[in-house]
Amino acid sequence: GAGVSQTPSNKVTEKGKYVELRCDPISGHTALYWYRQSLGQGPEFLIYFQGTGAADDSGLPNDRFFAVRPEGSVSTLKIQRTERGDSAVYLCASSLISDRRITGTQGNEQFFGPGTRLTVL
Amino acid sequence: AQRVTQPEKLLSVFKGAPVELKCNYSYSGSPELFWYVQYSRQRLQLLLRHISRESIKGFTADLNKGETSFHLKKPFAQEEDSAMYYCALSGRGGKLQFGAGTQVVVTP
Repeated sequence: GAGVSQTPSNKVTEKGKYVELRCDPISGHTALYWYRQSLGQGPEFLIYFQGTGAADDSGLPNDRFFAVRPEGSVSTLKIQRTERGDSAVYLCASSLISDRRITGTQGNEQFFGPGTRLTVL
Repeated sequence: AQRVTQPEKLLSVFKGAPVELKCNYSYSGSPELFWYVQYSRQRLQLLLRHISRESIKGFTADLNKGETSFHLKKPFAQEEDSAMYYCALSGRGGKLQFGAGTQVVVTP
């Protein structure tokens, strides 16, 4: 079946502009995660959704960043007044469930999308 | 505070030689640890998780709570093992904290 998809694959914008990045998770996956990966670094957690609600947004760097998942499926990461430091690859991942207490199963394995490379000029 | 440390940015090994990627972590509680791999022009994917205690593509990793380590090992490296490897720790809600990654280059 189809994996996690992200659009666009590349986005170039100018400083101060608004951007939206989209993630389509695997059908039936209730948990959805956003990460940001800067050059030479590992992915860094931003926010995760369980269903429609943001269960943990502690990784969002500031209030310019916002994400929604209105119907519990597709999610959009929104960045206002972009800055050059926002340039990175934005990764989305989904999993069947998010509860790490349920170990020994594949249910909480996260499947990653190909990422969106954002460049802010 | 949670932290995942991968001290080597680059590991270059010859085909057939053993390879070991180091990962150390700090976490208050019982950690769940993973190794993720990213092959060239492919997406990040799970390689193995400590809870399953299995060998994937010849790789194994043992959680050592005393040394707070989760090193990844393979006795005989293959050219197709060339990739970027990330150690990750699962926190509350399943969110992952990644190390900075180790680039493995296997030369013939």
